[in-house]
Formats: sequence, structure tokens, C-alpha cells
Amino acid sequence: NAGVTQTPKFQVLKTGQSMTLQCAQDMNHEYMSWYRQDPGMGLRLIHYSVGAGITDQGEVPNGYNVSRSTTEDFPLRLLSAAPSQTSVYFCASSYSPVAGTNEKLFFGSGTQLSVL
Amino acid sequence: SQQGEEDPQALSIQEGENATMNCSYKTSINNLQWYRQNSGRGLVHLILIRSNEREKHSGRLRVTLDTSKKSSSLLITASRAADTASYFCATDRDGGAQKLVFGQGTRLTINP
Repeated sequence: NAGVTQTPKFQVLKTGQSMTLQCAQDMNHEYMSWYRQDPGMGLRLIHYSVGAGITDQGEVPNGYNVSRSTTEDFPLRLLSAAPSQTSVYFCASSYSPVAGTNEKLFFGSGTQLSVL
Repeated sequence: SQQGEEDPQALSIQEGENATMNCSYKTSINNLQWYRQNSGRGLVHLILIRSNEREKHSGRLRVTLDTSKKSSSLLITASRAADTASYFCATDRDGGAQKLVFGQGTRLTINP
């Protein structure tokens, strides 16, 4: 199994450009999420999904859109990139987010994004 | 706001010594998880401890949870150079693991 696959690994954008960060998992996980990691701030949740067709906002959703048309894929869209969105982005998935089940997260290797 | 806060922010020890990291949180939880992140890589799950558990072991890892003090500790025994990494605690809140909240992490360096 490949696990959680993120593409691209690196990306440089100009302010105002849009792009999509791809995330795919092959573990048939219900739950998928996007985090951003900034120095000294740990990981912050952007958006998450508990199943195909269901998405919700996390702690820092502004400037980002998501969709979940299939169980496997959970792309993150930057609508109009800003320098404040320079960060490392991680996609993660788990079998189920329900307490008492298998809630551990599997992470992708990350996308390092720079917005100039 | 940060739910989990790790302490210390950085820790440097000699190979073979034990490493202890602490995590404090503010609200009630169902479980607490610890993750490891090697430089430039994604996070890897280490261990999950539920709110009704006080201690859990996995290999050289020992995790404790004190819900009355809202704190947890991660002990790595007989440290190795390969344990050099950042360690994060993550807590669920708002009733579910949909919104895991990560602390800022402890950067652990094992010196040979």
C-alpha cells in the first residue's frame, strides 16, 4: 500500500495565483484532513472530511476550499495565494474519527509551499 | 488556541539516556495521541492513550495520562540516535477526533 500520497512536494506561487494540492489514500479511510505546519505553531487544522460528499472547516479555513467526491481523494484548493499561506501542508487520514475506534492518523510526506 | 502544549520545547541528551516529554491540555478529552516527525517528513503515529487509561507501553515508549492534572508524559527509554525527531501530542476535543489539536512539539536530539 502507498498510504497517503501528496503532490507536489514543492511549489512556488506568486501572490494571487491559484493551485490545488493533491492528496490520495489507498487505505479506504473514512476520515481525511488537511493541516498546515508553521514554525513554532505546531499543526493547525484547515479542513476535514468524514466521508465522501461531507466536508467541514477546521481552525484556519480562510483562503482554502476542499471537496471530497471520492473516498480516496481530498484535494485542497488555494483560491488566491497570499504570502501568509507560505507553509508546509500535510494531508492525513484515519479509518474513523469516532472516539473508541481506530482514530490514529496516517500522514502524507507534505507539500512545501512558498508564496512570493 | 493551542490545546496541547509540550514541554520542554527542546531536549538534548546522550545516547542511552532516557528522554521525557510532557504535554498539558486545557479541556476534557477522549484520548491523547503522540506522534513523531523526522526532519522534512510527515508525522508518524506512536501511541494512543484513552481517557480511562493511566499508562500505556509500546516497546521503548511509555505514556502516562493524568486527567485530573490534564497532562501526559512520553518516556523514551534507552534512547538511540534514530530517536532524534520532533514529538507532538494531539488531543481530541469537541467530542470527537475530527478536530485533533496538536501542540507545538518537543525537538529531541540524541547525541552519540
